[in-house]
Amino acid sequence: AQSVSQHNHHVILSEAASLELGCNYSYGGTVNLFWYVQYPGQHLQLLLKYFSGDPLVKGIKGFEAEFIKSKFSFNLRKPSVQWSDTAEYFCAVNEASGTYKYIFGTGTRLKVLA
Amino acid sequence: DAGITQSPRYKITETGRQVTLMCHQTWSHSYMFWYRQDLGHGLRLIYYSAAADITDKGEVPDGYVVSRSKTENFPLTLESATRSQTSVYFCASSELLAGTDTQYFGPGTRLTVL
Repeated sequence: AQSVSQHNHHVILSEAASLELGCNYSYGGTVNLFWYVQYPGQHLQLLLKYFSGDPLVKGIKGFEAEFIKSKFSFNLRKPSVQWSDTAEYFCAVNEASGTYKYIFGTGTRLKVLA
Repeated sequence: DAGITQSPRYKITETGRQVTLMCHQTWSHSYMFWYRQDLGHGLRLIYYSAAADITDKGEVPDGYVVSRSKTENFPLTLESATRSQTSVYFCASSELLAGTDTQYFGPGTRLTVL
């Protein structure tokens, strides 16, 4: 069965530190990959997505993620975090054949200290 | 305002009672989804709908019923609430089922079953 693993459940960083959140998935076929973010008290919203082409994708607010097919990974990065990046981050995967079945990771809670 | 709304935002009920959570979207998106978010599990799909009068089960459908008589509404009913259904419930919509399409999430309903 498909699964998504986010190994970092809680991350605490100081402002200006670099961020990398891990996401690994298990699925043998072609996938689409997403990172969603949930700021405190707000809706989940899309940060970025990958479905084909350049494996390095850029999203909103300076975030980027790299799809490494050989490692089944889609790690999220940001060179310099801000206090406003405090949020919960979810990695999600679905089959590229176009099914409804999005599989979400358990989420990573990021706290950025001012 | 345009978007996706959920009501109520908070609900406390008792075991055995019927509860209906409402979801309304103004974009006329074809697809709508219900997820539950639990600590340690991320978001899990309960039901989804491809169009009015078309619904299908997700990963954790037991104990839930959905309907979709109109494109814009997708209510979720707990026929006889149990404590294990205490959770945060998110509704989402997307234009296309194809995996590249972004899901837009509502603000969530926090349900407590006593």
